[in-house]
Order: sequence, then C-alpha cells, then structure tokens
Amino acid sequence: DVKVTQSSRYLVKRTGEKVFLECVQDMDHENMFWYRQDPGLGLRLIYFSYDVKMKEKGDIPEGYSVSREKKERFSLILESASTNQTSMYLCASSSPGSLALSYEQYFGPGTRLTVT
Amino acid sequence: GESVGLHLPTLSVQEGDNSIINCAYSNSASDYFIWYKQESGKGPQFIIDIRSNMDKRQGQRVTVLLNKTVKHLSLQIAATQPGDSAVYFCAEKGESGGYQKVTFGTGTKLQVIP
Repeated sequence: DVKVTQSSRYLVKRTGEKVFLECVQDMDHENMFWYRQDPGLGLRLIYFSYDVKMKEKGDIPEGYSVSREKKERFSLILESASTNQTSMYLCASSSPGSLALSYEQYFGPGTRLTVT
Repeated sequence: GESVGLHLPTLSVQEGDNSIINCAYSNSASDYFIWYKQESGKGPQFIIDIRSNMDKRQGQRVTVLLNKTVKHLSLQIAATQPGDSAVYFCAEKGESGGYQKVTFGTGTKLQVIP
C-alpha cells in the first residue's frame, strides 16, 4: 500500500525559528512536492524535486528551501519562520510523468504549522 | 499580520441525490486532468482522471466530463452518500519551464445532508 508520511501533524514555532518539515515516501517515486494549503486558495506549489539532489522552485518559493539527499526523503525548511507562513503543509510524490500512465500524486496527511 | 483566505464554495446535496461539482481550468494546452477528494484531517486522494483526447470517463459512482471548448471540467457523483462529504479539487497538467506541472483549483466543499 502506497504511503507518504510527514514527521509531524501539528507544529507550533516562534517567529524567527528555523523549521524543518520532513516527508518520506515508500513507493520509490522519483518526483516529490511540497505544497501549502490555505482556506479558499487551494494547493500552492512551493518546491518540487524530480531526482535526488535536484530541486526546482514552484509558485511560492520565497522564505522556503528544500533538501533531497535521498530518493525517499524530501525536506522543507523555513529558514526564519514568520506568521504569514502559518498554514497546512502537504507533501506529495509521484512516478515520472513521461513513463507513467497517470500523473497521480500521492499525498501525506499534512502538517499544520502555527507560527506565533 | 495573518492573511485571511477566500471563502470556499460549498455545495449542499441531499443524501441519495446526484452531485455535480464544476471546475474551470486556465490553460488550453493542458492535456490531463485529475479530481482529488480531501476529507477533514487528511491529504487529498485521487478519484479519477481524464486525458484531453476524451470528453467523458466513468468510474465507480463518479463520472468526469471535459469540455475543452470552454475549458470546463465537472465531476458527477451518483447517489451521494455521507462519506462523500469532503473538499473536491480539480487539477490540470501542462508544461511549464520544461517540466510537467500540475496546477490545483481552489476546491469545492461538498456537504451531504442525511
């Protein structure tokens, strides 16, 4: 059974703290993604990675960085957390689009981050 | 200060009735579309997909219709059940910067009235 896990379901951090959100998938997927989800705004892509040590900016990368040292793990880093980064963060993975029959992304349960 | 999100469109349906959730997509070059369901406290889950060379695809109790002329996608759920209550997202796939990119809509909340 396909599984994407995220290190925390709920997290509370203070403004200025460095925050690490971890995501692990067990499907041997090449592609991994980080989104943030805010009410009425849908899912917005922060960063994605199509291979180990590879990263690409999504639509809203400002204030974030990522790390992909191993195929199964994709980390999102908030270098200096701010209150406007309070949100639900979702990680996803998928098979390579050019080889896959489907572009389905498998999502983790999300991490609700509150920055005070 | 903290930003306030937009209000999420809500569709209320009586249990047993059919539901139709609509989505307008933006990129006429998008060639693949997906519907996701997100239950409270969970990540989105795949429901059904459709390629741009099709105008209809059926699954179990769900049908997706694609109208490329007006860039419109709909999800029909037959005999809606309480377990169908969730937020539904459409997503479109197109090419951006040399990569295949999936863009999500803002979502519609489906409330099933018992």
